[in-house]
Amino acid sequence: GQQVMQIPQYQHVQEGEDFTTYCNSSTTLSNIQWYKQRPGGHPVFLIQLVKSGEVKKQKRLTFQFGEAKKNSSLHITATQTTDVGTYFCAGGGSQGNLIFGKGTKLSVKP
Amino acid sequence: DSGVTQTPKHLITATGQRVTLRCSPRSGDLSVYWYQQSLDQGLQFLIQYYNGEERAKGNILERFSAQQFPDLHSELNLSSLELGDSALYFCASSVGRGDNSPLHFGNGTRLTVT
Repeated sequence: GQQVMQIPQYQHVQEGEDFTTYCNSSTTLSNIQWYKQRPGGHPVFLIQLVKSGEVKKQKRLTFQFGEAKKNSSLHITATQTTDVGTYFCAGGGSQGNLIFGKGTKLSVKP
Repeated sequence: DSGVTQTPKHLITATGQRVTLRCSPRSGDLSVYWYQQSLDQGLQFLIQYYNGEERAKGNILERFSAQQFPDLHSELNLSSLELGDSALYFCASSVGRGDNSPLHFGNGTRLTVT
């Protein structure tokens, strides 16, 4: 079935270091969405990318959608302890539902 | 607060039993989704309803069933429970029918099967 692969599974960084998580699909996606789940919390919608090659920024977070609309990345500049959590990408599936990647769990050492 | 309400927050039950999880979507949202999240696992899509009709089905076991009622709230029924069914079950809602609408998640129901 359709899958969205996300790497790395875990990332440990020192506060102030940058962080990137990558998302890949074998099929073209209609859109890609990113969510953040804090420890003990529920996923919270961050952003949606729709256009090929689209880049969006939210303060220290930069989101990219690949030219072929098969991959995406989330980059955090100068991580802070408040960035801790699991970041999920989700792409539009063939049935019209969102397929979530397994997520990247980010830990930040102060 | 996402506006999506899930009850109960916690559920502890024995193997072989049946439970019902309930979800009220955000006001105005017509789609309801159910996801299962096991320990350190991603979000496994179970099923989606749109305006009372089943719209998409994921890896939902035959022992599990769901429905969406005319007032748009949804229930997920889990029967003949097994230890492996222990997980966090999230409900999410969206305004649209397809995959373009952002999802708003509830706080989840933590199910423990002993």
